[in-house]
Order: sequence, then C-alpha cells, then structure tokens
Amino acid sequence: NAGVTQTPKFQVLKTGQSMTLQCAQDMNHNSMYWYRQDPGMGLRLIYYSASEGTTDKGEVPNGYNVSRLNKREFSLRLESAAPSQTSVYFCASSEQGYTEAFFGQGTRLTVV
Amino acid sequence: SQKIEQNSEALNIQEGKTATLTCNYTNYSPAYLQWYRQDPGRGPVFLLLIRENEKEKRKERLKVTFDTTLKQSLFHITASQPADSATYLCAVYNQGGKLIFGQGTELSVKP
Repeated sequence: NAGVTQTPKFQVLKTGQSMTLQCAQDMNHNSMYWYRQDPGMGLRLIYYSASEGTTDKGEVPNGYNVSRLNKREFSLRLESAAPSQTSVYFCASSEQGYTEAFFGQGTRLTVV
Repeated sequence: SQKIEQNSEALNIQEGKTATLTCNYTNYSPAYLQWYRQDPGRGPVFLLLIRENEKEKRKERLKVTFDTTLKQSLFHITASQPADSATYLCAVYNQGGKLIFGQGTELSVKP
C-alpha cells in the first residue's frame, strides 16, 4: 500500500516564485490535512479538508492556498514564496474525525 | 483557541527505565486523544488512541492515561530501549474536526 504520497521530496525556490505541493492518498479517506513543521514548533495546521470540495483554514494559512481536487488529492500552493515559508511540509489523511491519521514522508522546502 | 502543551525539553533516560511524557490541553475537552511517534526525517506514525471514558490504555510496553479533570495525558514507555529514541507527539481533534498537535517531546534512551 502506498498510503499517503507527497511530491516533491525536496525543493528550493527563489523568493517570489510559486509552486504546488502535491498529495495523494489511496485509503479512501474523507479528511486530509496540510501541516508545516519548524524546529521547536511541532506540527502546525495550514489547511484542512473534511471532504471533497470543502476546505478550511488552520492555524497558519496566510501565504497558502489549497485545492481538494477529488477524494484522493489535496494540493498546497505557494503563490509567492517567502523565506519564512522555509519548512518541512507534511500531508496527512484520516478516515473521519477522531480516527488515526496517516502521514506522507514530507517535503523539505527551502526559499532563498 | 485550543492549546496542547508538551514538555519541550528533551527527556534523557537510561535503557531499561520507564519514560514518562506529559501532554496538557486547555480551552477544550476532547473526546479522544492520540499519541504519535516521529523519527528524524520521517512523518509521524500513530501509536495509540484513548477515549475520554477510558482512564488507561495499553499496547505492549506503551501505556497512556487520560485525566479529563486535570486535562492531562501521560504516555509511558516501560523497559525503554535505545530504539525508542524519537520525538513523541500528542494530538486531539478540535471541535471543528481539525487534528491539532503539541510541539512534541524528544526522548533519548541511552544504553
């Protein structure tokens, strides 16, 4: 089972460039999440999707947009990257609220 | 807003001892609380879930308690091993269905 797959694994961007982080899950889960992880900060929720076609802001949504393209895919877009967005990004999915979440392997993004 | 706090200081213990990690939450009473393990360079992996009506949950060498009066969960690893060294995160679903994490506690088990 592939579980949750994120692409790319590594990316370097220049300030002002845009990019989309891709996430796909093959477990037929309803809920999907995007987090960023910075040293000493734990996992901070950027955006959340409870089901196909719905999205909701998390703790740190500024500078990001998301698309829940279908039940499998949930993408995160940086329209104009800033050095403050240098981080490790994780996508996760769960069957529904209150069940265990499954995580991708992460995307390490550096903005210079 | 809901807050989850874990001891940000790393926990260093000797092999064979019991490790105890703390998770405190405020402004919310979750019906479920989860614990995850994260190794360097990897995504978190689910370990245990405990419900509000369960005082204690066990899985092999792991034990989790959930005190809704104190708004606290304790995570114990008995007979700890160097392979248990990792960062451990607690998490709850908030009222909006979002999964919120604490900052994690790094555990180091020395041989």
